[in-house]
Amino acid sequence: AAGVIQSPRHLIKEKRETATLKCYPIPRHDTVYWYQQGPGQDPQFLISFYEKMQSDKGSIPDRFSAQQFSDYHSELNMSSLELGDSALYFCASSRGHSKNIQYFGAGTRLSVL
Amino acid sequence: GENVEQHPSTLSVQEGDSAVIKCTYSDSASNYFPWYKQELGKGPQLIIDIRSNVGEKKDQRIAVTLNKTAKHFSLHITETQPEDSAVYFCAASMGSARQLTFGSGTQLTVLP
Repeated sequence: AAGVIQSPRHLIKEKRETATLKCYPIPRHDTVYWYQQGPGQDPQFLISFYEKMQSDKGSIPDRFSAQQFSDYHSELNMSSLELGDSALYFCASSRGHSKNIQYFGAGTRLSVL
Repeated sequence: GENVEQHPSTLSVQEGDSAVIKCTYSDSASNYFPWYKQELGKGPQLIIDIRSNVGEKKDQRIAVTLNKTAKHFSLHITETQPEDSAVYFCAASMGSARQLTFGSGTQLTVLP
């Protein structure tokens, strides 16, 4: 079965640079969620989109922005990167607004040097 | 906002024994409680979930119980196997298409 696809899997950036993470949800899933997981930490919710509209907003820094496109894929844009942004970034998707079963991708490991 | 506490943080069991992980949540509006298994370098994998209208759910060796009054839920793994070794996260959500709030995770080690 198709899963959530994230790219790139690994990304190395320097401080103050920008990064773009991409997420392709499971086919027919219309809701996308972004989570950030620091080393040894639990995933922290950043932001979500349902039918291309922002649905919920969590602890996402103002330096980050995200959107969901017409084909339901989503991109997380991160600017003015800081050392503390180094983490695993997961995307999850779910189908339909009436259910909440979230399926996670393999994540993007971002390292800020 | 919602707060989820998870215990224990580490758990070691002998192969074949049972493992129990417990979580409590703070917001009585939460009504969906999934459990995820995360292996090193991989994304969280849903293993079982329960909604607030049921008290127990079972899937082969895995079961989850929910006590809405006490606001706690537990994961039970029977006949543990070495491949069950991973980090397990509980989570809570307040409804459809809503964010998940995770517990702090339990590192389960099944000793052969």
